[in-house]
Amino acid sequence: AQSVTQLGSHVSVSEGALVLLRCNYSSSVPPYLFWYVQYPNQGLQLLLKYTTGATLVKGINGFEAEFKKSETSFHLTKPSAHMSDAAEYFCAVGGFKAAGNKLTFGGGTRVLVKP
Amino acid sequence: DGGITQSPKYLFRKEGQNVTLSCEQNLNHDAMYWYRQDPGQGLRLIYYSQIVNDFQKGDIAEGYSVSREKKESFPLTVTSAQKNPTAFYLCASSISSETQYFGPGTRLLVL
Repeated sequence: AQSVTQLGSHVSVSEGALVLLRCNYSSSVPPYLFWYVQYPNQGLQLLLKYTTGATLVKGINGFEAEFKKSETSFHLTKPSAHMSDAAEYFCAVGGFKAAGNKLTFGGGTRVLVKP
Repeated sequence: DGGITQSPKYLFRKEGQNVTLSCEQNLNHDAMYWYRQDPGQGLRLIYYSQIVNDFQKGDIAEGYSVSREKKESFPLTVTSAQKNPTAFYLCASSISSETQYFGPGTRLLVL
């Protein structure tokens, strides 16, 4: 079975500051890893994903994440926060055909951006 | 244009009533999923279907039922057996073991 832990249910950053959202996973096989963003009362939008290959993954809106197998981590970063980054962010692990391609989500991290 | 639609956006349920949430996709995806989201929590899988006429229970299937008679449709029924149905319900679809694409969600409230 796989699991995902997101450290910090709420993160507050100043506009222009670094955004760092932490995600650690547990998996018995090489995982596929995802970051999604959710704006209030909307569905989830894919930010980026790691499947195989390059461990530094770039996504939309200036976000990137690095897969570190030795640390079982997939932390999300953005060098300079913008007011529009205020949202909830979810890390997820999946990619297991034997498990029906299900995704397991972390509890989410809500980002507040201060002017 | 392609995407996933969910209706209605808001749904009200009376006690003892069954209600059905609609999910339609025109992405030609084989797999479809239903998740429940509660405030401050992540998404929890209710049911999923990898192919037409077949579906499996997720982590919290009790009190819910689904059907998959067409590739593009995966309706979810919240039955009267679900004692705490108030939540935000999200439908998703995927073509492989990779990315799931999500609909806009339905918020279910109890009268």
